[in-house]
Amino acid sequence: EIVLTQSPGTLSLSPGERATLSCRASQSVTNNFLAWFQQKPGQPPRLLIDDASNRATGIPDRFSGSGSGTDFTLTISRLDPDDFAVYYCHQSAHAPLTFGQGTKVEIK
Amino acid sequence: EVQLVESGGGLVQPGGSLRLSCAASGFTFSGFWMNWVRQAPGKGLEWVANIEGDGSEKNYLDSVKGRFTISRDNAKNSLYLQMSSLRADDTAVYYCAGGSGWTPESWGQGTPVTVSS
Repeated sequence: EIVLTQSPGTLSLSPGERATLSCRASQSVTNNFLAWFQQKPGQPPRLLIDDASNRATGIPDRFSGSGSGTDFTLTISRLDPDDFAVYYCHQSAHAPLTFGQGTKVEIK
Repeated sequence: EVQLVESGGGLVQPGGSLRLSCAASGFTFSGFWMNWVRQAPGKGLEWVANIEGDGSEKNYLDSVKGRFTISRDNAKNSLYLQMSSLRADDTAVYYCAGGSGWTPESWGQGTPVTVSS
């Protein structure tokens, strides 16, 4: 099983600031099948990024993904008030599919 | 527009059974991998199972193997999760999610399952 470890657990930032979220895998994620999801309270997750760096349809370009192998990053270039939420990384390279434990981005 | 609507959740006693359903519309259902993903109260996301478009391949989380069965009826554009021998730690919101590959791209709103006496 690929274990995904996200850091930090919580990120306290102000609107307009840059957010950098990390996801480290316990073994290499084949073909960079690494995705990022955003989840707000009471809502299902929303796909932001797949294949490590491809923005999903309709996702603003302030969201970007990078990385390969075992180290991946989600960057939000300038936080919008709508971006404060929990973010999960997810690997779909090997079964069982797994998620990281989440990073909460909160308003400072 | 992709739409996934789950149903069938509820309160069940430990050791009991429940069948979840997911009605799909707005896309070619038979061409999509479909997943069940759950989220326990106040916790993170946990993948449960997936099934290939034609139903030929299925994968499960170890802790549900032998207890849960994923299936689909492409003629009805529907996904199912038959759950048996339910335990308290199966309590969660269960989401139906699909995609062209294994990544769950589109999600339903979820159906809550509570296992309690």
